[in-house]
Amino acid sequence: DTEVTQTPKHLVMGMTNKKSLKCEQHMGHRAMYWYKQKAKKPPELMFVYSYEKLSINESVPSRFSPECPNSSLLNLHLHALQPEDSALYLCASSQVGQNTEAFFGQGTRLTVV
Amino acid sequence: QKEVEQNSGPLSVPEGAIASLNCTYSDRGSQSFFWYRQYSGKSPELIMSIYSNGDKEDGRFTAQLNKASQYVSLLIRDSQPSDSATYLCAVTPRYGNKLVFGAGTILRVKS
Repeated sequence: DTEVTQTPKHLVMGMTNKKSLKCEQHMGHRAMYWYKQKAKKPPELMFVYSYEKLSINESVPSRFSPECPNSSLLNLHLHALQPEDSALYLCASSQVGQNTEAFFGQGTRLTVV
Repeated sequence: QKEVEQNSGPLSVPEGAIASLNCTYSDRGSQSFFWYRQYSGKSPELIMSIYSNGDKEDGRFTAQLNKASQYVSLLIRDSQPSDSATYLCAVTPRYGNKLVFGAGTILRVKS
């Protein structure tokens, strides 16, 4: 089973809204990731959690707030976003360390209006 | 210099031909190398991983790694129209449990 599940698939939110993206995996992976992908661009890393602790924050604005409540779940809390934050948000998971394969969820298509 | 570089394409090949996709990386200490396929509007799908010099074959796909030249390639034999997608090269750098992606190569297989 190489499934990573993201909800919702689509989200439209206003600039004053608060919303959350959710990600779940049951592969026993202990590393989870958030990536952001704009149209015709490669995925860009936002955050990495290893063993439920934030290990990498790629200088992401504070209007994006990640949370890893347990080893299977990863959330991304959104607040006061801008229209330029509209993108495909991808969650991925892998084992911790080198030579490990990362698997992506189907993504959440976010539109900020 | 970008960490991972790919020719953006599009690379056009006829159905049944071999498609050759290339990638170079700058961090000589990089350990792990991956190819992902991404259809328009979908998420990346892992198709090949390679960790040591040489070739690795899986069905119609062959990944090749040359660490001395800092070069990774993907060969797709007997290309099919369904192979038309963007192919992303990804590298795990020496430090950091993360993937760094190239810009991706658009492949078009014409029937």
